[in-house]
Amino acid sequence: DGGITQSPKYLFRKEGQNVTLSCEQNLNHDAMYWYRQDPGQGLRLIYYSQIVNDFQKGDIAEGYSVSREKKESFPLTVTSAQKNPTAFYLCASIDYAGANVLTFGAGSRLTVL
Amino acid sequence: GQQVMQIPQYQHVQEGEDFTTYCNSSTTLSNIQWYKQRPGGHPVFLIQLVKSGEVKKQKRLTFQFGEAKKNSSLHITATQTTDVGTYFCAGGDYKLSFGAGTTVTVRA
Repeated sequence: DGGITQSPKYLFRKEGQNVTLSCEQNLNHDAMYWYRQDPGQGLRLIYYSQIVNDFQKGDIAEGYSVSREKKESFPLTVTSAQKNPTAFYLCASIDYAGANVLTFGAGSRLTVL
Repeated sequence: GQQVMQIPQYQHVQEGEDFTTYCNSSTTLSNIQWYKQRPGGHPVFLIQLVKSGEVKKQKRLTFQFGEAKKNSSLHITATQTTDVGTYFCAGGDYKLSFGAGTTVTVRA
């Protein structure tokens, strides 16, 4: 089955540590996105990438970094510069040739201890 | 930048009743999308509206796009326990802006 795989599902981190969240898709979608979800705040865009080797900052990019070396993969690094990293992180993709709607992964829940 | 607002933030509904959630944008939208996130899950696409004044139905769910393409609504009739979750609207092109969502709970 085609879909988006995020790992790990749960992650605990100490303050001051960087952590990388994995996102892999086998849908052959062009664009990939990272969203952060906090209670009562909906989904906020961190970064997005429309093509390989290119990505754009979203609304809350500070303290995060990404790469897009392959079409299938869009990992997100939460750096120690991110002041409040505890959140639910969602990866998504869009097929521009199709309906132009988001398909989401199951999410990764990061807790900073 | 573009902002999408949703009201109400919480909706407590008696099973069998109807309710409506509203979505308003500060700018004209090319399209509006609706997603549903079940508790503990991830958002799942429900529907996309593109045309001014467009109305689409999915069983007990009715979606509407305003004439000015700046607002939308989701109306659910005869609410069931399966309707529990958070409903998000989202607008925009490459950078979809999401509303904060309406979290629906159902009293049996």
